[in-house]
Amino acid sequence: GAGVSQTPSNKVTEKGKYVELRCDPISGHTALYWYRQSLGQGPEFLIYFQGTGAADDSGLPNDRFFAVRPEGSVSTLKIQRTERGDSAVYLCASSRYGTATEAFFGQGTRLTVV
Amino acid sequence: SQQGEEDPQALSIQEGENATMNCSYKTSINNLQWYRQNSGRGLVHLILIRSNEREKHSGRLRVTLDTSKKSSSLLITASRAADTASYFCATDTSGSRLTFGEGTQLTVNP
Repeated sequence: GAGVSQTPSNKVTEKGKYVELRCDPISGHTALYWYRQSLGQGPEFLIYFQGTGAADDSGLPNDRFFAVRPEGSVSTLKIQRTERGDSAVYLCASSRYGTATEAFFGQGTRLTVV
Repeated sequence: SQQGEEDPQALSIQEGENATMNCSYKTSINNLQWYRQNSGRGLVHLILIRSNEREKHSGRLRVTLDTSKKSSSLLITASRAADTASYFCATDTSGSRLTFGEGTQLTVNP
């Protein structure tokens, strides 16, 4: 596709459940980022992939959060035992060469934990 | 933690006027980027200015960077109602992440 695609666009889940959020980056982009944005705030960094490896996962809030990018393209953000405080918009972005170049963002997944 | 802080938090102007938003940051940067966001969803990249640059232009946008004051400004000239959005600055300090500020909500009244 022409842009970064995120699915689903909205997800409602019950507290304690497991969720997976998917990101399809722009073809050829080696860098992929996950951010989380709460209402009225700026995006908060979660994790950065360069190729298949997580080059910086220091933004993941705790061990309930995990992300993979097994073939260096599609990435999945996994959240275990969801809590109401996890409710936010999860944004994925990709760039051709990392932070020295512009990042292209997807439309985000709005996660609501009830 | 937020590296950048935008000022003002909200700005309301009339169509045709210029809009200026400021961003301050705390640590040295590789580059600084400005993004726009409509309706709380995807962000759109506007402009990137590197640490050794002082000013950049793109269409109606003008960005300045003062590394001695650790600040940047975004000027939108001849604003339009369609410019209504949230604007964020983001700094690259580590080469592995962009750190965003909390944004300025711009409203352009027709």
